[in-house]
Amino acid sequence: GAGVSQSPSNKVTEKGKDVELRCDPISGHTALYWYRQSLGQGLEFLIYFQGNSAPDKSGLPSDRFSAERTGGSVSTLTIQRTQQEDSAVYLCASSLDRNTDTQYFGPGTRLTVL
Amino acid sequence: AQTVTQSQPEMSVQEAETVTLSCTYDTSESDYYLFWYKQPPSRQMILVIRQEAYKQQNATENRFSVNFQKAAKSFSLKISDSQLGDAAMYFCAYRSAWYSGGGADGLTFGKGTHLIIQP
Repeated sequence: GAGVSQSPSNKVTEKGKDVELRCDPISGHTALYWYRQSLGQGLEFLIYFQGNSAPDKSGLPSDRFSAERTGGSVSTLTIQRTQQEDSAVYLCASSLDRNTDTQYFGPGTRLTVL
Repeated sequence: AQTVTQSQPEMSVQEAETVTLSCTYDTSESDYYLFWYKQPPSRQMILVIRQEAYKQQNATENRFSVNFQKAAKSFSLKISDSQLGDAAMYFCAYRSAWYSGGGADGLTFGKGTHLIIQP
């Protein structure tokens, strides 16, 4: 079946604008993960969903970041009032459930904040 | 908190030769999973191989094998008969075996090793 998909592939925005990044997990996968990949910080775990619930949001870098998941499928990562330090590749991954160790990644969204 | 260290920012190997990428990690847990992911320029993270900490036998996937030393907290990746398509960033990653409902549910990654294959 289809893998994890993410949109847009690339996003260029101006500082101060809001952006929404979308992730479509593999069908039937109940666990969904967001990561950020930047030159300075490497790969950072942001947030995890089991179904529509995110038990711990402490990995989000600031209160400008929020994420939601609806219908146990698509997830949206929203960044409000973007800053230049938000420029990074945002990766989404899914796994069958929270107990399944292997995560499958999407191609990522490259966000550039001017 | 767990940490993963990849001490080789870049490695180069001749095509058809064997190369070993190093990874060490720090944890107080006894049960966990370890992974090697490959990330080519396309950005897609591809799972190369996984290892369950409770298994003593080293995982093998075709030309890829690991040397898992639990006591030393070492998890190196050996690529045999290197091919041009193996050129990529390689990331070592750790995940706790137990669901905590928190940050431990995500993967902890090393900084990566850039593997260059010389034709």
